This record gives sequence, C-alpha cells and structure tokens, in this order.
Amino acid sequence: RKEVEQDPGPFNVPEGATVAFNCTYSNSASQSFFWYRQDCRKEPKLLMSVYSSGNEDGRFTAQLNRASQYISLLIRDSKLSDSATYLCAVKDDKIIFGKGTRLHILP
Amino acid sequence: NAGVTQTPKFQVLKTGQSMTLQCAQDMNHNSMYWYRQDPGMGLRLIYYSASEGTTDKGEVPNGYNVSRLNKREFSLRLESAAPSQTSVYFCASRIPGNTEAFFGQGTRLTVV
Repeated sequence: RKEVEQDPGPFNVPEGATVAFNCTYSNSASQSFFWYRQDCRKEPKLLMSVYSSGNEDGRFTAQLNRASQYISLLIRDSKLSDSATYLCAVKDDKIIFGKGTRLHILP
Repeated sequence: NAGVTQTPKFQVLKTGQSMTLQCAQDMNHNSMYWYRQDPGMGLRLIYYSASEGTTDKGEVPNGYNVSRLNKREFSLRLESAAPSQTSVYFCASRIPGNTEAFFGQGTRLTVV
C-alpha cells in the first residue's frame, strides 16, 4: 500500500457545487497533514493545514480522521478559479505527497 | 525575501551528461527536500536533509546524489543523466515541527 493515496480524478463539477476529496495514509505515526494546490506548470502551494479538530478557511473545510487514517477537503460554492490539482501531504520524519486529484470546475 | 530559489529553470541534457541542480532558501529553514514530478506520478521524494550536515534517501534516490552545502543550499546532482530522469524537479524547505513545506518554482529537465 502506498504511503499516501488519492483518487486522481478528474472531478468535473459545475460552478457553485460542493465537492469533496479524500486522502488515505498508511503511517499511523504521521504527525501533521496538509492540503496543497498546484496549478498547471506551477509549484505546489499550501492551501491549508489540517488540524485534529478540523478547520475551515472560507469555502474550504479540512477534516482529519486518525482512526481511519484519512484526511478530507471540502470545497463549497466552487468557483472557476478553483480548477487545479489538489495534493494531500503527510508528515512523519519527511513529507510525503499523494499523486493529486484534478478538479475541473465547469461554467 | 525570495523564498526558495532553484536554478536553472530549464535544462536539456544528453544521455550520459552530468549536471547539478541548485536550490537555495533564505528563510532560515532547517529541512530541505528534493522531489521529482512526472505525469500521473505525483511528487516523489528523492532525497531530503533534516538539518545541515545530514541527508537521507527518499522514495526514488537511484541515479542522484545530494549535498547540503550549508543551511541555505541543497544541491541535487545527476552524475550520468538518463532519459528516465526527464522530469520536473522541485526543491522545498521547512522549519522543524508540524509545519508546511515551501516550494521553489521547479526545474524542467529533459534528457535526450
């Protein structure tokens, strides 16, 4: 089993809809968790950290489920500008990334 | 404050040539990382350095060497480039603890 797994998509979602991604990780000792956004031919940039109690930043909500070893990202009221690849990342002694989930927001 | 700077941004090599990818950060970060990104493969860790003077292998270290020259700089060397090393290479850095990594803009390497 790979250390960090994501559904590669693509997710094709109409503008204004809600979309959710999950990411599973194999190392139960992982200490911290992140969601990154990557635009085409650009470097990944931090979208949000994921805290144990869950956290929200505007239209974005991140959750952590340690018992089932997954993190999730929920995007509400999606915008065309949300089209990108979303990478989850998990830290133990190093940071390991999933392969990313491609999201296309359709007008 | 430039963040993480990678040079060069683009490079074409012939099979068997060697080259060094440079990475420098000005954020006083302890940890530095080299990843490669290929279509459908996501970011794969090549090597990392948890602190100055230490380096460790990641998921795909074969064909690469690294040097943590000082706290600011972490270079990646390809001794004998192969077409399979055609990729986009990202350097990243972070401070200790449960903190995120910051990325450079990437180096697009083609080996022909």
